[in-house]
Amino acid sequence: KAGVTQTPRYLIKTRGQQVTLSCSPISGHRSVSWYQQTPGQGLQFLFEYFSETQRNKGNFPGRFSGRQFSNSRSEMNVSTLELGDSALYLCASTLGGFEQFFGPGTRLTVL
Amino acid sequence: KNEVEQSPQNLTAQEGEFITINCSYSVGISALHWLQQHPGGGIVSLFMLSSGKKKHGRLIATINIQEKHSSLHITASHPRDSAVYICAVRFTGNQFYFGTGTSLTVIP
Repeated sequence: KAGVTQTPRYLIKTRGQQVTLSCSPISGHRSVSWYQQTPGQGLQFLFEYFSETQRNKGNFPGRFSGRQFSNSRSEMNVSTLELGDSALYLCASTLGGFEQFFGPGTRLTVL
Repeated sequence: KNEVEQSPQNLTAQEGEFITINCSYSVGISALHWLQQHPGGGIVSLFMLSSGKKKHGRLIATINIQEKHSSLHITASHPRDSAVYICAVRFTGNQFYFGTGTSLTVIP
C-alpha cells in the first residue's frame, strides 16, 4: 500500500505570494491533518479534515486555509506569504482517528 | 505557555543503555502519541496511548492518566535509535499540541 504523498517536496516563494500544497493520504484513510514545523516553534497543528469537513483548527491566522476533496486528497493554501512561513509542512492521514501516517513533508522557503 | 512539556531536550547514550524520555501535559487528553523524526524530516508514529502501556520491540510507552505523564523507554539502545522523539497530545477539545522534542544520540 502506498504511503502518504506530498507535493511539491520543495518550494521557494517570495513574500506576498501565495502557495498551495497537496497531500494524498493512504488509500482508504479519510482523515488528513496538516502540521507546520519550524526550528523556533517546533511542530504545530494547523488543521484536520475528515470527509471533506474541517474538524479541528489550530491557532493560525486566516491566511492559512485548507480543503479536502471527495477522494480524501487535501490541499492547504497560504496567502500573502511572510518570511516566518518558511517551514516544513507535514500532512498525516489516519484510519479511524488512530495511528497517524506522515508524509515526507513540503519544505517551503519564503524569500 | 507550552501545554506539553518534554524532558530531557538532549540525550546522549552509549550503545546498550536503557533510555527514558518523559512527557507531561496540563489537562485532560483523549490520546497521547509518541513520534520519531529522523534527520531529513520523516516522522514515524511509534505509539498511540490513552491508558496503560504498549510495547513494540525494544520500545515501551507508558501513560499515567492521573499524573498526566507519559514515558518512552528504549531498551538496549542502538545507534539507529538516534533521532528526535516527540510527544504529541490530543486534548479533549480535539486540539493537538506537541512537546519540543528530545534529541537522542546513541554512540557506538
